[in-house]
Amino acid sequence: QKEVEQNSGPLSVPEGAIASLNCTYSDRGSQSFFWYRQYSGKSPELIMFIYSNGDKEDGRFTAQLNKASQYVSLLIRDSQPSDSATYLCAVTDFNKFYFGSGTKLNVKP
Amino acid sequence: NAGVTQTPKFQVLKTGQSMTLQCAQDMNHNSMYWYRQDPGMGLRLIYYSASEGTTDKGEVPNGYNVSRLNKREFSLRLESAAPSQTSVYFCASSEGGNTEAFFGQGTRLTVV
Repeated sequence: QKEVEQNSGPLSVPEGAIASLNCTYSDRGSQSFFWYRQYSGKSPELIMFIYSNGDKEDGRFTAQLNKASQYVSLLIRDSQPSDSATYLCAVTDFNKFYFGSGTKLNVKP
Repeated sequence: NAGVTQTPKFQVLKTGQSMTLQCAQDMNHNSMYWYRQDPGMGLRLIYYSASEGTTDKGEVPNGYNVSRLNKREFSLRLESAAPSQTSVYFCASSEGGNTEAFFGQGTRLTVV
């Protein structure tokens, strides 16, 4: 059984601050890593994916991957109240996606 | 472009009843998935289909069956519903390999 671990939160940050979300995974063979955002009552939507060690930036979002430590993170800069949601980390093992239980983020105005 | 479409959106079943959840994608994706989401449990894979004509069990397949009818459609059947199957069910699709998955809007199922 492949494990993907996330702190359930809630993580509370003030508007304009940096939110840091973390995820660890158990399978060293995991190939790709994804961050999804899920608003309450809605389906998950992709924010970012990362395949290689290092950082990947897309607008206010930065994904960081460290395969040696089996760790992937998501940084959200200039957090907005609209970023308040649950963030799901997912890893793949060719054709199978394994999800963490998600971290709930609250951005306070 | 509809993406991934699930039907129905809501369903209430009595214990022992059967039903089929339908899923269709119009992105010409090879792989399709069924997940269930319970509070605090994240998304758990029930079954997946890597390509047309193939299906495989995921983490929690007991009590479910699937059919990959063609490349577009992947259905999930509950033969004898149990209260433990009360959950939100999501269908997803991807091109395959390690590419991102796209989700349908979900089906909220309650078994009483």
